[in-house]
Amino acid sequence: DTGVSQDPRHKITKRGQNVTFRCDPISEHNRLYWYRQTLGQGPEFLTYFQNEAQLEKSRLLSDRFSAERPKGSFSTLEIQRTEQGDSAMYLCASSGTGRGAFFGQGTRLTVV
Amino acid sequence: GIQVEQSPPDLILQEGANSTLRCNFSDSVNNLQWFHQNPWGQLINLFYIPSGTKQNGRLSATTVATERYSLLYISSSQTTDSGVYFCAVDHYGSGNTGKLIFGQGTTLQVKP
Repeated sequence: DTGVSQDPRHKITKRGQNVTFRCDPISEHNRLYWYRQTLGQGPEFLTYFQNEAQLEKSRLLSDRFSAERPKGSFSTLEIQRTEQGDSAMYLCASSGTGRGAFFGQGTRLTVV
Repeated sequence: GIQVEQSPPDLILQEGANSTLRCNFSDSVNNLQWFHQNPWGQLINLFYIPSGTKQNGRLSATTVATERYSLLYISSSQTTDSGVYFCAVDHYGSGNTGKLIFGQGTTLQVKP
């Protein structure tokens, strides 16, 4: 059990560019979550997968955001046409049953 | 939606002191977790505690679900305890998705 892994840890991009983040959950966990955290705030839910099915999306997830989890394993979060307001920490978590959610190290995005 | 309030927002302690952090929530929950966010941004699991009391070394937590609050106790604090502590709940009304709603956090600074 290597824990939840996210890549990259840091990303600096120019406004208007597309970015993609990857999350590898704990292998036996069937649920995977994406959250966003801005400075001084608690994390906010973005979206959730059970196996490969995306079952819920927050209103925070504009149409520039898309997430996938092919084959119910790793997940990707893509942001198209990035804006300065997208600058945040993007956190991935996974859960199985009865022990709660476990988080990765996060990807810190800076849009310049 | 459910509201999660943490208090105090900020706390400064001298090394060796004890402290109590509080989390109030406004509705029934399936799950409650306490996290410590380290300086690099990763959320470290402290407790999965929908009800009852748990202890792990110098830390312990109690959740009284019927009264909608949870407490995190830190005894004999150390400088490495510094950081932000988050309470997060899985709202009973969310349909067992496991998505977490976070409080605003308590920022703890332990001085040597």
